[in-house]
Amino acid sequence: IAGITQAPTSQILAAGRRMTLRCTQDMRHNAMYWYRQDLGLGLRLIHYSNTAGTTGKGEVPDGYSVSRANTDDFPLTLASAVPSQTSVYFCASIRTGHIEQYFGPGTRLTVT
Amino acid sequence: SQQGEEDPQALSIQEGENATMNCSYKTSINNLQWYRQNSGRGLVHLILIRSNEREKHSGRLRVTLDTSKKSSSLLITASRAADTASYFCATPRNSGNTPLVFGKGTRLSVIA
Repeated sequence: IAGITQAPTSQILAAGRRMTLRCTQDMRHNAMYWYRQDLGLGLRLIHYSNTAGTTGKGEVPDGYSVSRANTDDFPLTLASAVPSQTSVYFCASIRTGHIEQYFGPGTRLTVT
Repeated sequence: SQQGEEDPQALSIQEGENATMNCSYKTSINNLQWYRQNSGRGLVHLILIRSNEREKHSGRLRVTLDTSKKSSSLLITASRAADTASYFCATPRNSGNTPLVFGKGTRLSVIA
């Protein structure tokens, strides 16, 4: 692994189903973030974690939950998916003491 | 709500021409960053300018920051077809450096 990986690459999900998007980084970055990107709306922050064991809410947290059990992993869970959660989801991280974010390749999620 | 807003939303130029994109933001910031996103990929950090800097260069990129007008511009000189991408400005969400708030982006098309 080099950088940030996300899984799955894409997923079609039936409404009402539970889904966890995975994000793993091997750079030992403390802070990690989840964004969703929608056409015409840009990137919006869903949840973030400044360090393992802590999480915070972003601009659009409703319907999503996160956990940060260790430094490397930051999964995003949709407890009961709805069509409005159709989007491209990006995970990002920041190296401690730095400012620029590193992004994963994204997960394209379609909720039908 | 988004902190930064890019202008124009879309820009189409010929290879070799210069491309200028603008970003306006609402509140005082410590720094402003520009990111690039190729189609279907995650964002990549391009350049950071701090609030006490007025201009910064990196290769063919030139960034300016006018804190009195709460605006920044990204200039790409001698554009190439490979510069075709979306460009986003990002500013800190609050008084710290993170999380970031992204604008909606400028879609740049460079025609060979």
